[in-house]
Formats: sequence, C-alpha cells, structure tokens
Amino acid sequence: SQELEQSPQSLIVQEGKNLTINCTSSKTLYGLYWYKQKYGEGLIFLMMLQKGGEEKSHEKITAKLDEKKQQSSLHITASQPSHAGIYLCGAAGGTSYGKLTFGQGTILTVHP
Amino acid sequence: NAGVMQNPRHLVRRRGQEARLRCSPMKGHSHVYWYRQLPEEGLKFMVYLQKENIIDESGMPKERFSAEFPKEGPSILRIQQVVRGDSAAYFCASSPGSGGAYNEQFFGPGTRLTVL
Repeated sequence: SQELEQSPQSLIVQEGKNLTINCTSSKTLYGLYWYKQKYGEGLIFLMMLQKGGEEKSHEKITAKLDEKKQQSSLHITASQPSHAGIYLCGAAGGTSYGKLTFGQGTILTVHP
Repeated sequence: NAGVMQNPRHLVRRRGQEARLRCSPMKGHSHVYWYRQLPEEGLKFMVYLQKENIIDESGMPKERFSAEFPKEGPSILRIQQVVRGDSAAYFCASSPGSGGAYNEQFFGPGTRLTVL
C-alpha cells in the first residue's frame, strides 16, 4: 500500500519568512493533492498535481511534483499568520482512483 | 454555489446506540467519499460511492459500519452499536467524477462524533 511521509512534522516561523514542506511517496504518484486544515475544521483544497515536473501557484503558495513523481514540495513565500494550520498531502490510487491516502500532516505556526 | 454540507456537526451517542451522519455533495458532484480522522491519527479513507453504488469500501470496518448514496437525498454513513473507539471526526468529500482533474475532492466541515 502507498505511504506518504511529510517533513517536517511541525514548523514554527516568523511572519514574512519563506518555508517549504515536503511530501515523499513510497510509490509513483498519479495524483498529488495538497490541503490545509485549521484545527477542528474541514480540509481546504489547495492544489492538485498530476504530471512530473508540474508546478502550480495560488497566491503565495507554490506546489511542485518532481520529475520522477515520487515527491512533492509546498512552498510558502512571505508567510503570514493566516497561513497557520495543518498542511496535508494526499495521493490518489490504490484500490480505486478515488481513494486518497494522506500523510500525517505538517503543523505550521507563524508568529507575527 | 454551496460547498459540501455535513450534518450534524457534532453528535453525541452512548455506547450501543446508532449514529447516522449525513453528507450533501456540492452541486453537480456525483461522487462521494467518507474519511475518518481519529484523535492523534491521520485522515483515513473509508468508502467511495456514486449514486446507488459503492465503488470502493476497502477502508470500511467489517462490522457495524455501512454507507449509502441513494438516487435522491444525501449520502449516509451509519454506525451501529457505537463504541468509544468510534469517537472521531468523520469527513465527507465530493468530486464531479473520477480520474484526472475530475477527481479534485472538496471536503465538508466534518461531523465530530463523541461516544460516551
């Protein structure tokens, strides 16, 4: 079965700093999803990547899927307190394409 | 365009009772997914449904749990004879289809089940 490892597990940064969260898969990724979750709330869809080398951006968040399609990174530029939360990567596949397997999450704290 | 709706948001049950969790997908979405987030654990897939069909139930516990997505109305996740270990946040997601961009799954706010 596919496993996703996120690093770091937690991250504390000062407002305005850049940061990167990594997601490494034990198998080839056929669809990689990034979500953000605030404590006690649902998941907010950020981006989905499919093709090796693909890169997508939304506001100050950029996600990339490496050429070999086994690792993805999420980069936040000039972080703000509103970026704080839990970032989850999810991979499609397994018993069905609709099944998403998630990493354990990265807890991001941004100090003003 | 309303997002994925789940109700109730919070549910308290005593051991042995039944829990029914409801999920209304986004407008135009015909695929529904249920996930469970146990305390101190990650988000785990439970079941994937289309209207009147279960596509993948590989993550469903073998007993007491069932799910349906009828032709009309919301998807229901049903837990019979709840135990304390069922206490968790249950999330529903929906997508317009499967495969490629059609598989972009949008999540509801979740139902937090507490079993006393």
